[in-house]
Amino acid sequence: KQEVTQIPAALSVPEGENLVLNCSFTDSAIYNLQWFRQDPGKGLTSLLLIQSSQREQTSGRLNASLDKSSGRSTLYIAASQPGDSATYLCAVSGVDNQGGKLIFGQGTELSVKP
Amino acid sequence: KAGVTQTPRYLIKTRGQQVTLSCSPISGHRSVSWYQQTPGQGLQFLFEYFSETQRNKGNFPGRFSGRQFSNSRSEMNVSTLELGDSALYLCASSLNPGTTEAFFGQGTRLTVV
Repeated sequence: KQEVTQIPAALSVPEGENLVLNCSFTDSAIYNLQWFRQDPGKGLTSLLLIQSSQREQTSGRLNASLDKSSGRSTLYIAASQPGDSATYLCAVSGVDNQGGKLIFGQGTELSVKP
Repeated sequence: KAGVTQTPRYLIKTRGQQVTLSCSPISGHRSVSWYQQTPGQGLQFLFEYFSETQRNKGNFPGRFSGRQFSNSRSEMNVSTLELGDSALYLCASSLNPGTTEAFFGQGTRLTVV
């Protein structure tokens, strides 16, 4: 059974700092891994999708890496801003007929202080 | 291009009632999945539909059901509501299940009193 863990559960940093969020999963049989952002009471905003054959993806100040064999992914946020404050979730999708089912971690609540 | 639309945004129901939530996926997307989000359990998978067929179902009681129409719009129904069903219900759509990016709606906040 796939389990996804995110560390730390909460993180507070001063504005301008670079930071890394961690995500680990127990079963390496995945189609892809996706990072999301969630603002309080809102839906999820997709940040980055990494296919199982890829090692990393970049979008602006965000860079996500994937090491499928070790069951790990990291989300790197450069030059953090107060607007980055949100909960960050990672999710993996299974293979074959489990492909449409996303398994989520519990999230990392990020607070960026001005 | 319109995103994933969920209606209604907020609902208050009484224990024992039933409720129907609606999700319109991004145009051209045929895969729709539903998730329940609560503070204690986080995001949990409910079910997934592709081309009007349920492909996967999560570990929820039979009171939770869903369907998908020929235009890919999906509905989920919860019967005999319990206090514990209070949650944010999120719908996601994608082109193909699992292999492409999933996009989420803003969710329906259900409160059972």
